[in-house]
Amino acid sequence: DAGVIQSPRHEVTEMGQEVTLRCKPISGHNSLFWYRQTMMRGLELLIYFNNNVPIDDSGMPEDRFSAKMPNASFSTLKIQPSEPRDSAVYFCASSLPSGSYEQYFGPGTRLTVT
Amino acid sequence: KNQVEQSPQSLIILEGKNCTLQCNYTVSPFSNLRWYKQDTGRGPVSLTIMTFSENTKSNGRYTATLDADTKQSSLHITASQLSDSASYICVVSPRSNYGQNFVFGPGTRLSVLP
Repeated sequence: DAGVIQSPRHEVTEMGQEVTLRCKPISGHNSLFWYRQTMMRGLELLIYFNNNVPIDDSGMPEDRFSAKMPNASFSTLKIQPSEPRDSAVYFCASSLPSGSYEQYFGPGTRLTVT
Repeated sequence: KNQVEQSPQSLIILEGKNCTLQCNYTVSPFSNLRWYKQDTGRGPVSLTIMTFSENTKSNGRYTATLDADTKQSSLHITASQLSDSASYICVVSPRSNYGQNFVFGPGTRLSVLP
């Protein structure tokens, strides 16, 4: 198995532009998570899905952020419009649908908004 | 307020030595506690997952302990190797209907020197 796949690995964009991050979970995993990591705030859970349905999006910072999971093998995290304070590493992770199962993280997307 | 604290913030040890990392939490009731290892530039990798009824769990040279009464956990690394240099993150899941909520610690940065 290739593991969790994220693209792009690096993204540099100007303030105000739309940014779309992509994630392909491990086949057979029903839960998908989006995280953000910064030096100041550490790792933060933004949103997670069970069976393609968003369960908890309380970690999404504001309306500029949105996430979708149109099918079991694909999810996107969109920021529109982007701001410099959105600069961070965004991780996607997947797991079997239970709080006790391991989460497998992707390599992350490093986003820089100038 | 649910919080997870870790100590020390950073640690430097010589190769071959043992070390112990600490995690204190105020999350209650909680579902499970996880330790992750995160290499620089990569996503976190799960080391151990413990439920509230477990006292210890090992994964090779890594041994995690849990005292649910004092709300403390530790991660002990035996015979450290250069490859153990990484950040170690303690994550506690509050018991909820979803079982997927997480409270993250700030991490301990471990450096193993030759």
